[in-house]
Amino acid sequence: DTAVSQTPKYLVTQMGNDKSIKCEQNLGHDTMYWYKQDSKKFLKIMFSYNNKELIINETVPNRFSPKSPDKAHLNLHINSLELGDSAVYFCASSQAGRIKETQYFGPGTRLLVL
Amino acid sequence: QKEVEQNSGPLSVPEGAIASLNCTYSDRGSQSFFWYRQYSGKSPELIMSIYSNGDKEDGRFTAQLNKASQYVSLLIRDSQPSDSATYLCAQGANSKLTFGKGITLSVRP
Repeated sequence: DTAVSQTPKYLVTQMGNDKSIKCEQNLGHDTMYWYKQDSKKFLKIMFSYNNKELIINETVPNRFSPKSPDKAHLNLHINSLELGDSAVYFCASSQAGRIKETQYFGPGTRLLVL
Repeated sequence: QKEVEQNSGPLSVPEGAIASLNCTYSDRGSQSFFWYRQYSGKSPELIMSIYSNGDKEDGRFTAQLNKASQYVSLLIRDSQPSDSATYLCAQGANSKLTFGKGITLSVRP
């Protein structure tokens, strides 16, 4: 049973294209996140949703637009992809107020922009 | 700006030794601290969480928190080659985790 799943696992695309990454969690959590891990392995939060409401929006270009259709799903759409967007994108989930923000990560989506 | 600092590493220890990983943080308001392990090409996996001053032990792992010094550490006893990975320290506040840059541990057989 996969707790936090992401699709696709790998994404290779050309500069200027638009792409989406999907995330689903079956843990019953109410909070979901997107993180970006760059080539130096630095993991940085991008967005967080709690019960479909955006609660964290770090300094991210507005080419990145998250959407949460329900509390079990969080998608990330990226417009006009740039070379610098190449990274691994991790989805995570947690239950607010329970186990003090312990977050569980998905397997990651490896994005390569050519 | 909340920051989490980790020794840049890499850290290499022989099999059976104690590996000591250290982390300092800037946000005095943080109540929760975490150590994640990340194998190459894999996602971060939670191995320890700690919320109050002192030590917390789980098997071969011990997390230590000192809020006065804003310092959290992870000790791995009887290190095994399977412990070779990158270890990420994180502080949590208001549903947000701030990660350090990680330290790569190599356990030599």
